[in-house]
Parts: sequence; structure tokens; C-alpha cells
Amino acid sequence: EDKVVQSPLSLVVHEGDTVTLNCSYEVTNFRSLLWYKQEKKAPTFLFMLTSSGIEKKSGRLSSILDKKELFSILNITATQTGDSAVYLCAGWSETSGSRLTFGEGTQLTVNP
Amino acid sequence: GAGVSQSPSNKVTEKGKDVELRCDPISGHTALYWYRQSLGQGLEFLIYFQGNSAPDKSGLPSDRFSAERTGGSVSTLTIQRTQQEDSAVYLCASSLGRIDYEQYFGPGTRLTVT
Repeated sequence: EDKVVQSPLSLVVHEGDTVTLNCSYEVTNFRSLLWYKQEKKAPTFLFMLTSSGIEKKSGRLSSILDKKELFSILNITATQTGDSAVYLCAGWSETSGSRLTFGEGTQLTVNP
Repeated sequence: GAGVSQSPSNKVTEKGKDVELRCDPISGHTALYWYRQSLGQGLEFLIYFQGNSAPDKSGLPSDRFSAERTGGSVSTLTIQRTQQEDSAVYLCASSLGRIDYEQYFGPGTRLTVT
């Protein structure tokens, strides 16, 4: 059974701090890993990572995948209160290509 | 353009009643997914539709759950004889294709079974 584990489960920081969120996965015939941000209900897409070692970047957010060690990290620099959300990681398998296996998420709280 | 929409946004029902949840995907998206998110949990896959292919129902937790997608667009998730453990947020997502395409999520329906 495919499995995705995120850590930490919750994190509280001050504005301006840099945070690193972790995601490890055990996905049969792994194809790609996705990061989503969930503020209230609808998760919004952040990154899709397929190749190992290539950093994807969007503003203050960046993410990288290590297919050898089976993990990914999501970095957020100079955090703002608007970054407060649950960050979800999900793995996609080529053999069960219709489903994403999600982790439990990391609840990030950025205090002013 | 318009995103994925879901209705109702909230639904409170009594145990044993049937409920129907609706999802309107983004126009042109051939793939449609239903997920369930219980309090403090990640998303649990329920069912997936792709074009005219037979749906992947492997995530449905029991035979009380069913879903259909009419005309390759709107989808309805039906839960019969609801139980308290069915209480969750039900999220719908759509994408351009089966794989390598990001999924766009709707705002969800919060179902509370009393």
C-alpha cells in the first residue's frame, strides 16, 4: 500500500523565519510528487516534481525531490502570516495513475 | 475562467438519510476525482472518472457510496443511509488528463451526520 508521511505535523514560527517541510514517500512505480497549500477548504497547487535534484521555485517557495532517498522538501523563506495553512504532499504512482496518495499535512502557523 | 464548484457548501443530515453532493468541474477537464478529508487528516481518494472510461471506484469505503458523471461533466456523489463516520469534507477535483496534470480542487462540501 502506498504511503506518504509528512513532518512535522505542525509548526509555529514568526514572520521572517525560514521553514522546511518534509515529505517522505513509499509509492509503487513512483511517477511524481505534488505539493498543495490548503488554507480553508480547497487545496491549491504549488509544485509537481518528477525529476530528482531539480529545484522548482515560485517566489519565496521552493521544493526539491530526492528519488534515491524517497523524500521531498518544501522551503518557505521570509515567511508571512499569509503563509499560514496546511501544506499537503501527495505521491503519484504510474500503476495506480488515477489516484494521489496524500500525507496528513503540516499545519504551519506564522505569527506576526 | 470558472474553477471547480461544489454544492452544497454545507450539509447537515440525520443518520440514516441519503445525501447527494454535486461537483461541476472546470470546462474541458476530462478527469474528475472525489476525495474525502476527515478532521485533521489528509485527503482520502474515493473515485475517479476519465472521459468515457469505466470509473476507478477502488477508494469507495462501502457500497453505501456511489458516484456518477453525466455527459462527461457534472458529477454527483451519493451516500446512502448515512452514518456518523461519514462526517467529513468531500472535495472534488478536475484535471486535463489522467496523469502529469495538476488537479484543481473545488471548495468542498462539509457533511455533518447527526
